[in-house]
Amino acid sequence: EVQLVQSGAEVKKPGESLKISCQGSGYMFSNFWIGWVRQMPDKGLEWMGVIYPGDSETTYSPSFEGHVTISVDNSGSVAYLQWSSLKASDTAMYYCARHVLGGNGGYSLDYWGQGTLVTVSS
Amino acid sequence: DIQMTQSPTSLAASVGDRVTITCRASQSISSYLNWYQQKPGRAPRLLIYAASSLHSGVPSRFSGSGSGTDFTLTISSLQPEDFATYYCQQSYNTPLYTFGQGTKLEIK
Repeated sequence: EVQLVQSGAEVKKPGESLKISCQGSGYMFSNFWIGWVRQMPDKGLEWMGVIYPGDSETTYSPSFEGHVTISVDNSGSVAYLQWSSLKASDTAMYYCARHVLGGNGGYSLDYWGQGTLVTVSS
Repeated sequence: DIQMTQSPTSLAASVGDRVTITCRASQSISSYLNWYQQKPGRAPRLLIYAASSLHSGVPSRFSGSGSGTDFTLTISSLQPEDFATYYCQQSYNTPLYTFGQGTKLEIK
């Protein structure tokens, strides 16, 4: 059974750093793109970026590039999302999701983690 | 960037109703369109991929159609567990996958 299990909720102060994780199991982790999606309180879904564990190729949405870093540890089948300096506006739920290639050549997000709530407040 | 616009933003319906949600892309995206369902406090769930293909385990009352710029998600007979928020997402502009703003389906 494919599972993505994320790390627990975090409460941080502005300016602090943070790294949250997403552990995959039940499939060949290195063979599937895995990405992150933000959901601010009572708002919609925003795609942030994606990484291919096989070679660590990474692409970011322009809205998030330079503010977050996506990385991966293939040995532990874990993907990471990190911030070097959090802002209050980073308060949100963050989901990891496996990206799978469909028959038409397009990708969909077929399995999701349970979400990690990040709260940034002074 | 490709913008995705859903309509309506919210919708009230009754159990047993047939419901249609529309998603429009700002440019042609062929059939690179996915639909997700999200219930409060839960992660999103993939329903439809490639505009019209049903994801594994999704009930057959859900269907998708469209190509180019205009797409629809149809629920043929609403069930109590279908009240949720629905999102479309384009996967044409690889890998900058944008979502629609969501459609909240509520009980009438």
